[in-house]
Amino acid sequence: DIVMTQSPSSLAMSVGQKVTMSCKSSQSLLNSSNQKNYLAWYQQKPGQSPKLLVYFASTRESGVPDRFIGSGSGTDFTLTISSVQAEDLADYFCQQHYSTPRTFGGGTKLEIK
Amino acid sequence: QVQLKQSGPGLVQPSQSLSITCTVSGFSLTSYGVHWVRQSPGKGLEWLGVIWRGGSTDYNAAFMSRLSITKDNSKSQVFFKMNSLQADDTAIYYCAKNEERGFAYWGQGTLVTVSA
Repeated sequence: DIVMTQSPSSLAMSVGQKVTMSCKSSQSLLNSSNQKNYLAWYQQKPGQSPKLLVYFASTRESGVPDRFIGSGSGTDFTLTISSVQAEDLADYFCQQHYSTPRTFGGGTKLEIK
Repeated sequence: QVQLKQSGPGLVQPSQSLSITCTVSGFSLTSYGVHWVRQSPGKGLEWLGVIWRGGSTDYNAAFMSRLSITKDNSKSQVFFKMNSLQADDTAIYYCAKNEERGFAYWGQGTLVTVSA
């Protein structure tokens, strides 16, 4: 199974600050046949189902604000929020959709100061 | 539009089984698979299993002995059944549509409490 490791487990930022969170996989998520990294990021607000933010490591889902930026390749990935807003208070999870089982990282809890 | 609606009990007795139905609309189960994920209180997301569009299944090895996922294509329904529940199976259970880009569509979640 591919193990997904996220860091930090939590962080507290002020509105307007830049936020960076990391996700590392135990195996490469790069599909050599199409050069896509099968890594997705989800946002989960309290009491809600997870919401897909970014897929293929860097492609923003339709309707997701452009302050959410996914990057990385292979085994190291990053989700950046360029200027965090109060409504970004949530848990963020990465997931590999390269193979089954579709494993998730442990999550990063974002708190707003 | 794509929707996944879950129905099932909120309370299960210890050692009993859990059954949840995920009724989908806006897509066909003959074209897309459906995954099941759970989230224990205050914890992360745990992938449980999937039923593919052709009807085959894959399960998390930790649950393989007590988990079953089936479907009825004509009714657009996927059936999740887990046996021998214990207190640490208390969680929110979700179904989610399989797409190459990940899980873009999720059910609303079913909060299951295992308690006598």
